Amino acid sequence: KNQVEQSPQSLIILEGKNCTLQCNYTVSPFSNLRWYKQDTGRGPVSLTIMTFSENTKSNGRYTATLDADTKQSSLHITASQLSDSASYICVVSARGLLGAGSYQLTFGKGTKLSVIP
Amino acid sequence: DAGVIQSPRHEVTEMGQEVTLRCKPISGHDYLFWYRQTMMRGLELLIYFNNNVPIDDSGMPEDRFSAKMPNASFSTLKIQPSEPRDSAVYFCASISPFGDLGTEAFFGQGTRLTVV
Repeated sequence: KNQVEQSPQSLIILEGKNCTLQCNYTVSPFSNLRWYKQDTGRGPVSLTIMTFSENTKSNGRYTATLDADTKQSSLHITASQLSDSASYICVVSARGLLGAGSYQLTFGKGTKLSVIP
Repeated sequence: DAGVIQSPRHEVTEMGQEVTLRCKPISGHDYLFWYRQTMMRGLELLIYFNNNVPIDDSGMPEDRFSAKMPNASFSTLKIQPSEPRDSAVYFCASISPFGDLGTEAFFGQGTRLTVV
């Protein structure tokens, strides 16, 4: 069964500090991994995508890593800001298993990050 | 484009009533997904469509749930009869039709459903 596990479930950090969120997955056949940010009361929005051949990708203060061998990904946030307070969801995509046109996304339950002044 | 549009944003209904949630995907996106989000289970896929055709509805919890996509620009998720355990935020998402499956899913703002 495809699964995505995230840790920690919640995290509180001081403004300006760095933090790292973890994602472990068992999804096959792997297509790509995305990190989404979900602000309270809104839908998730993609931050970054990692494909099988990519190890590191940055998007501003966000840096995602992927180790396809150990099936682990991390999202590192540098110099956190109050606006970083949100849930961060790891989503792993599997290539279609149901024939042409099929598609599968497996979501983690997210890490709730609170940045306090 | 205004993004994925869902309505209503909030719905409060009594147990046993019929509830219909609506979604307008981004124009040109040929995949549409319905998700349910709760604190306990996170985001759960209910059903998804490709070119208006339901591809996988294995996530639909039971026969009380049904979804339709009569055309490329509109989809509905119906719950009849509704129960308190259906209370959750329901999201609709659409994906662009590029060759690489797994491109970004664009989510609507969600419908917060409360069944009392």
